[in-house]
Amino acid sequence: TQLLEQSPQFLSIQEGENLTVYCNSSSVFSSLQWYRQEPGEGPVLLVTVVTGGEVKKLKRLTFQFGDARKDSSLHITAAQPGDTGLYLCAGFHGSSNTGKLIFGQGTTLQVKP
Amino acid sequence: GAGVSQSPSNKVTEKGKDVELRCDPISGHTALYWYRQRLGQGLEFLIYFQGNSAPDKSGLPSDRFSAERTGESVSTLTIQRTQQEDSAVYLCASSLRGGYGYTFGSGTRLTVV
Repeated sequence: TQLLEQSPQFLSIQEGENLTVYCNSSSVFSSLQWYRQEPGEGPVLLVTVVTGGEVKKLKRLTFQFGDARKDSSLHITAAQPGDTGLYLCAGFHGSSNTGKLIFGQGTTLQVKP
Repeated sequence: GAGVSQSPSNKVTEKGKDVELRCDPISGHTALYWYRQRLGQGLEFLIYFQGNSAPDKSGLPSDRFSAERTGESVSTLTIQRTQQEDSAVYLCASSLRGGYGYTFGSGTRLTVV
């Protein structure tokens, strides 16, 4: 059983479309992180959200942490082929911000030109 | 170095052989993590080192897996009597302190034939 469930698992869209990836849990997380991973490389940290209800924007990417700190979303506006990759959410379970970082199973995004 | 360095980048081994994977973290990073990633999947936590504290080994899948870290430097992950199900990418990450700013290496792709 995954503590962090990501949906959808696969997404194939055309350039210019918008999309949202979800990361859900029945448990509380002290913070959540989003990573992007390209083939043959390690994940690269995009953002960390720590406060319930927090919204962070990174150019065309908008990240939100749920009020109850059990879920998060990543919204991409006007997707581009360069956004193609595996998107991973990860978090620290409970009240700690150290120790075991738990990952979701990932969302594979393909943006076609 | 500037980033987390892992070696070898690729390793093909025969079933039943032992393998040793190496991780050189970013200098000064006290926290070091090992993860396993199967094709197209999320990251599976293996072990976490934080300074001189006892490591969190709760993710090691069997007693064939072990890891060591000397102080705040190099870490090695050893898999004894490799099995085909051990085939995966093994990723290492380090952090200035546990909790924030994880930097991943590019991983070691292990294939057991």
